[in-house]
Parts: sequence; C-alpha cells; structure tokens
Amino acid sequence: RKEVEQDPGPFNVPEGATVAFNCTYSNSASQSFFWYRQDCRKEPKLLMSVYSSGNEDGRFTAQLNRASQYISLLIRDSKLSDSATYLCVVNSPEDDYKLSFGAGTTVTVRA
Amino acid sequence: EPEVTQTPSHQVTQMGQEVILRCVPISNHLYFYWYRQILGQKVEFLVSFYNNEISEKSEIFDDQFSVERPDGSNFTLKIRSTKLEDSAMYFCASSEISEETQYFGPGTRLLVL
Repeated sequence: RKEVEQDPGPFNVPEGATVAFNCTYSNSASQSFFWYRQDCRKEPKLLMSVYSSGNEDGRFTAQLNRASQYISLLIRDSKLSDSATYLCVVNSPEDDYKLSFGAGTTVTVRA
Repeated sequence: EPEVTQTPSHQVTQMGQEVILRCVPISNHLYFYWYRQILGQKVEFLVSFYNNEISEKSEIFDDQFSVERPDGSNFTLKIRSTKLEDSAMYFCASSEISEETQYFGPGTRLLVL
C-alpha cells in the first residue's frame, strides 16, 4: 500500500470556481501534514501546513481527519495562477521526519 | 528571504561517470535532505543528514551514493558511477529542526546518457 495516495486529477475548473481534493495516508503514527505546490519542472514549495483543527490561509482551506487518515485541500475563487500540481506530504517521527510525498493532484484553472 | 540554492541547475553525464551535486542550505538550518524526482513520478526521499552524519537513508541510497558537508555551508550528493536510471531531478532541502517545514532548493536536473 502506498504511503500517501492522491487522486491524480486533472481537475479542470473555470476561474472563480471552488475545487477540492483529498489525500490518504497509511501510517497512523504520522504527525505532520503539509500541502506543497509544484509547478512544472520546479521545486516543491510549501503551500500550507495542516493542523488537527483545520486551517485556512486566504482562499485555501486544509482539513485533517486522523480517524480516517485523510487530508483535504479546498481552493476557493480559483485563479489562473493556481494551476499547478498539489502535493500531499506527510512525515512521521519514527521515520526520522523524512517527508513522504503523494504523486500529486493536477489542477488547471481556465479563463 | 533566505533560500536553499543548488548547483548546477543541469548536468549531463555519461553512464559510469561520477557526479557531484551541490547545495547550500539555509544558514541557520541544521537538518539537510536529498530527494529525487524521476520525470513524471513522485518526489522520493534519498537521505537525511544531521550533525555531520546520515540519520536516515532510503533503499534507493545504495553504495553508489554518498553525502558530505565539506565545510560550514555546502552539502553535497555524490553519485560514484552513474546509471541511466539515475536520470532525475535532485532536490536538496533543509529544515531548522527535524519536525519543522523543509524548504527545497530549485533542483539539479541530471541526465545520464
């Protein structure tokens, strides 16, 4: 079983739309959760950390469900610049905090 | 804003040659990492490094790979005898403490012919 699984998409949405997608993780001992964004052929960049109570950063909302071992990301009022691959990332203290990446969910926002 | 830097941005090499990829982590960070991403695939952990020694490595990180912190600023990944399947983007990352956010460099694209 993959450590981190994501729906690869692509999600093609018009500007202004809301898009949401999930990620599941297999290690119940995981403690830290992140969404990174990766543009084509570029490095992953931290979008936001995901906290147990859920958190929001502008148009982005992340949720964590530890019981079901999934994380979600919701993007409101999509912009063209939101087009990217969104990487679900998990780390675990028993793995010495190495990051485990999902394969990414591709989002394309069209005008 | 401080950032991780990597050189070179691109490297083309012949199979069997040695390559050294260089990284300068963020200056007050203590934990350093190498990841790789084969084209079209996910980012994969290679190795983590703290206090001048490897703290963890993946099964990908075999005897052909080594890491070093030769001075107070650089962190290098050496591949002793490159194989075709080593062609990938190699990302260096650093974090202040182990459980905190890791920041990635822009990567080195390695092509082995």
